[in-house]
Amino acid sequence: SSELTQDPAVSVALGQTVRITCQGDSLRSYYASWYQQKPGQAPVVVIYLKNNRPSGIPDRFSGSSSGNTASLTITGAQAEDEADYYCNSRDSSGNHYVFGTGTKVTVL
Amino acid sequence: QVQLQESGPGLVKPSQTLSLSCTVSGGSISSGIYYWSWIRQPAGKGLEWIGRVYTSGSTNYNPSLKSRVTISVDTSKNHFSLKLSSVTAADTAVYYCATDRAAQGVWYFDLWGRGTLVTVSS
Repeated sequence: SSELTQDPAVSVALGQTVRITCQGDSLRSYYASWYQQKPGQAPVVVIYLKNNRPSGIPDRFSGSSSGNTASLTITGAQAEDEADYYCNSRDSSGNHYVFGTGTKVTVL
Repeated sequence: QVQLQESGPGLVKPSQTLSLSCTVSGGSISSGIYYWSWIRQPAGKGLEWIGRVYTSGSTNYNPSLKSRVTISVDTSKNHFSLKLSSVTAADTAVYYCATDRAAQGVWYFDLWGRGTLVTVSS
């Protein structure tokens, strides 16, 4: 399968930890990257190469992977982390990209 | 710092060809650092990768769109372009251009344009 499946929505209390998962067969072979998208804005990469953060991304964002599941963890969620999050990786052929279905994170 | 800006008609008639350009500023499209990608997002829905082009002109396309998509690069104008033929209402979306770069051989979308809304309607 070339699909990447995410939970549609999760919520987290301010300052607590939330993990967002992305499942797909291709993740057994390829790393995922993670993108944050706030309303009306373009996505921004928050994690690449499994657990690397671009400059300017807070260290409360971390990534991990096991088997067919990639995860994005926000440790100590802040109000500004409320957004949609998408994973991305290769499809099973390795020649094309596929995005996950997206997870809406609400910070309570 | 490389910046990207999409441009093109905001309204396209059904069955016609959607044409967009992405102008690269702050760097050369010929640098060889990036692939240059197009990604779209229908209102209220998720992201869909359309395809990418390298400086050499080499391309990869989403299999679901491959028969209708052409992505090309113009090094003289420092921009790359998207053409999507035979459009329908289902092609109405915000279209983003993005840089696609590698870290230790693993590619990811590093920089994004602000996006441009294209509506398919008669």
